[in-house]
Amino acid sequence: EVLLVQSGAEVSKPGESLKISCKASGYTFTNRWLGWVRQTPGKGLEWMGIIYPGDSDARYSPSFQGRVTMSADKFAATAYLQWISLNASDTAIYYCARSVFPSVLGGFDIWGQGTVVTVS
Amino acid sequence: DIQMTQSPSTLSASVGDRVTITCRASQSINRGLAWYQQKPGKAPSLLIYEASSLESGVPSRFSGRGSGTEFTLTISSLQPDDFATYYCHHYNYYSGAFGQGTRVDI
Repeated sequence: EVLLVQSGAEVSKPGESLKISCKASGYTFTNRWLGWVRQTPGKGLEWMGIIYPGDSDARYSPSFQGRVTMSADKFAATAYLQWISLNASDTAIYYCARSVFPSVLGGFDIWGQGTVVTVS
Repeated sequence: DIQMTQSPSTLSASVGDRVTITCRASQSINRGLAWYQQKPGKAPSLLIYEASSLESGVPSRFSGRGSGTEFTLTISSLQPDDFATYYCHHYNYYSGAFGQGTRVDI
């Protein structure tokens, strides 16, 4: 079974750093683009960026460039999303999701269960 | 940045109705568009990719059309399980964006 399993809910204080994870199983992790999506009640779904785990090529939305870092450990089949300094506006649910096509970017067919991040 | 404008934001319908949701891109995105269904407390679920390709396992009452800047998602005969929120999603290798969502309710 193809799965993306995300790390558990986090509660952090403003200014703290945080790294959440997304572990893949059931497919070749290195040859599918993986995206990160933020969801807040006020702004719906927001595209944060994509990463190709095979070579860690990462592309960011201008809205998130410089605020977060995407990375991937191909040996652990795990992707990460990291903040150096959180603020209250980072409070949201964060999803990782896999491209429907091998090697080529497409819609996201497999989603993680979401990680709730609360900054307060 | 490419902006995606989805309409309507809310749609009231009945079981058996034909329902169409529209998504417009601020510039041409060729066919790089997907549609998702999301239910409360759950992750989105892929319905359509490449504007008109039906994801495996998705009922055939869902269909997508369009290219360039205008796209539609149609549910041919609304079923009770279809009451949910729907999002369009533009993707390419340098940018991406979601529409604001359309809530389909009774």
